[in-house]
Amino acid sequence: DTGVSQNPRHKITKRGQNVTFRCDPISEHNRLYWYRQTLGQGPEFLTYFQNEAQLEKSRLLSDRFSAERPKGSFSTLEIQRTEQGDSAMYLCASSLRDSSYEQYFGPGTRLTVT
Amino acid sequence: AQTVTQSQPEMSVQEAETVTLSCTYDTSESDYYLFWYKQPPSRQMILVIRQEAYKQQNATENRFSVNFQKAAKSFSLKISDSQLGDAAMYFCAYRRKNTGANSKLTFGKGITLSVRP
Repeated sequence: DTGVSQNPRHKITKRGQNVTFRCDPISEHNRLYWYRQTLGQGPEFLTYFQNEAQLEKSRLLSDRFSAERPKGSFSTLEIQRTEQGDSAMYLCASSLRDSSYEQYFGPGTRLTVT
Repeated sequence: AQTVTQSQPEMSVQEAETVTLSCTYDTSESDYYLFWYKQPPSRQMILVIRQEAYKQQNATENRFSVNFQKAAKSFSLKISDSQLGDAAMYFCAYRRKNTGANSKLTFGKGITLSVRP
């Protein structure tokens, strides 16, 4: 068990480009969460999956954002037509189904939109 | 909606001394979890300590302990015998306990703790 991994760790893109991030959760974890953390703020919830089903999306997740978790394993978060306001750290976390279980975080992907 | 407030943006402590980080929260729920997470510079967030709201006893993990005041909706973290490795951002977080619901975490803004040698 190597923990939650995220790729890439850093991404610099120009405004208007599309970007995709990947998260690999701990193998037996069926819940997967995406959070966004901007400078000087705590992480904010974006969306979560239970297995392959996306069960909730935050109002922060505009139409330009889409997330998938095919086959209930890894997840991808895509941002289309990036804007400078999308610059942030995107964190992934995973846990077992029961809400009493701890969420384990990945190292995050830092996105910079120029 | 639940909110978590950390009003101190920064704190500093001398190595080997004790420091307390403050957190308040707001919720209409009666049962929930509260957490302190540590985020070292350029490293991933890790759980420091967890408190279940229905438990009267304050949680303790080695040098870390909490002062949970449910009526006041206060949840502070005490770090004893501070070490250089404790330097990090610390986040207070809340989570509902309903197992059928989204167990997302709601975080405060965080506090940057520096440890002076």
